[in-house]
Amino acid sequence: GENVEQHPSTLSVQEGDSAVIKCTYSDSASNYFPWYKQELGKGPQLIIDIRSNVGEKKDQRIAVTLNKTAKHFSLHITETQPEDSAVYFCAASTGGFKTIFGAGTRLFVKA
Amino acid sequence: SAVISQKPSRDICQRGTSLTIQCQVDSQVTMMFWYRQQPGQSLTLIATANQGSEATYESGFVIDKFPISRPNLTFSTLTVSNMSPEDSSIYLCSVAPLAGETEAFFGQGTRLTVV
Repeated sequence: GENVEQHPSTLSVQEGDSAVIKCTYSDSASNYFPWYKQELGKGPQLIIDIRSNVGEKKDQRIAVTLNKTAKHFSLHITETQPEDSAVYFCAASTGGFKTIFGAGTRLFVKA
Repeated sequence: SAVISQKPSRDICQRGTSLTIQCQVDSQVTMMFWYRQQPGQSLTLIATANQGSEATYESGFVIDKFPISRPNLTFSTLTVSNMSPEDSSIYLCSVAPLAGETEAFFGQGTRLTVV
């Protein structure tokens, strides 16, 4: 079955710096790759996603890249702010019927 | 995006009892899912709630322990039966408005503590 690995498990950056979280997946049939942000005491919130026919997608300070050949996808956050501090999950899905999540990255943005 | 309401938001239960968690969506959705998130861990899919038929359970999860209902396209329940302290987790309802390559949204979760 699908397996999603996520690194690093913890990431600490200075406010204004960039943060990069990387994931790999195992199932070549995966075609949808969402990223979720989870703040303390809340459910995961979808922040950006990418589909298999696209190599890169950007939304303001957040961008995601996908390398299908290498089965890698990454989340890039630029100009980080303290409110970006949260746990981030990558995920992979085949057709939206089952989503497999990475282990999560706890991001700390120091003011 | 769909607005998802989960009840209760948290509960403390005695071992051996059962708790039913409700998930209500503000619009009809194709897919509804139940996840478990153990403390400090990632999300693990328990089952897919199918309207009008038995839920589809993932490996390691069984209907006797986690019975699920889905009477219509906007509502589902998950029951955690015969609870033990190991069942202490956050339980999350997730919905996908359309089948196929589509985003999934989560409720705020139910934080369950079994004592």
